[in-house]
Amino acid sequence: NAGVTQTPKFRVLKTGQSMTLLCAQDMNHEYMYWYRQDPGMGLRLIHYSVGEGTTAKGEVPDGYNVSRLKKQNFLLGLESAAPSQTSVYFCASNLVGLQETQYFGPGTRLLVL
Amino acid sequence: GDSVTQMEGPVTLSEEAFLTINCTYTATGYPSLFWYVQYPGEGLQLLLKATKADDKGSNKGFEATYRKETTSFHLEKGSVQVSDSAVYFCALYSSASKIIFGSGTRLSIRP
Repeated sequence: NAGVTQTPKFRVLKTGQSMTLLCAQDMNHEYMYWYRQDPGMGLRLIHYSVGEGTTAKGEVPDGYNVSRLKKQNFLLGLESAAPSQTSVYFCASNLVGLQETQYFGPGTRLLVL
Repeated sequence: GDSVTQMEGPVTLSEEAFLTINCTYTATGYPSLFWYVQYPGEGLQLLLKATKADDKGSNKGFEATYRKETTSFHLEKGSVQVSDSAVYFCALYSSASKIIFGSGTRLSIRP
């Protein structure tokens, strides 16, 4: 039981490049989330999904897109990376929504030059 | 709007010292409150939570009491260990169905 895994662990991009971050969970959770963590700001919700085939915007969605084609996977895409997107990205999942305990992946550190 | 304020770190203590990390919140209604911990190189994991006023959450020797009169959820531990070195996040789930995290407090314990 791996829990929540994230790929890659670290990536450097140039401004304007695109990339996709992959989150996978093996706990059969319905809900999945993408957060970004910036110094002094805590975690902020980017997008989330309440089930396979669904996505919704969180607090800071601009510049990101997501897809949930399979229940166990939640992809976060950056179409044209900007330096302001330099951050640590965390994926999380749970059974019933934000009001309950979330299970987090180890994070992806992204540097946009 | 709803918010969470945590004491700024870093906090450095000696082993077996008493720990308090302050957390206060602003919210309408009765939010659920959480403490998450992030060990080096890992994702966040739930440490404890409380869902109503006067509830006390506890886990691994840590405790926090939901105080509505002071809008606080301070984290305490009577005797810290080196293995408690981590970043601690206070969070609330609001009546607007939002999760709000504090900025985190880095704790370092000296042997």
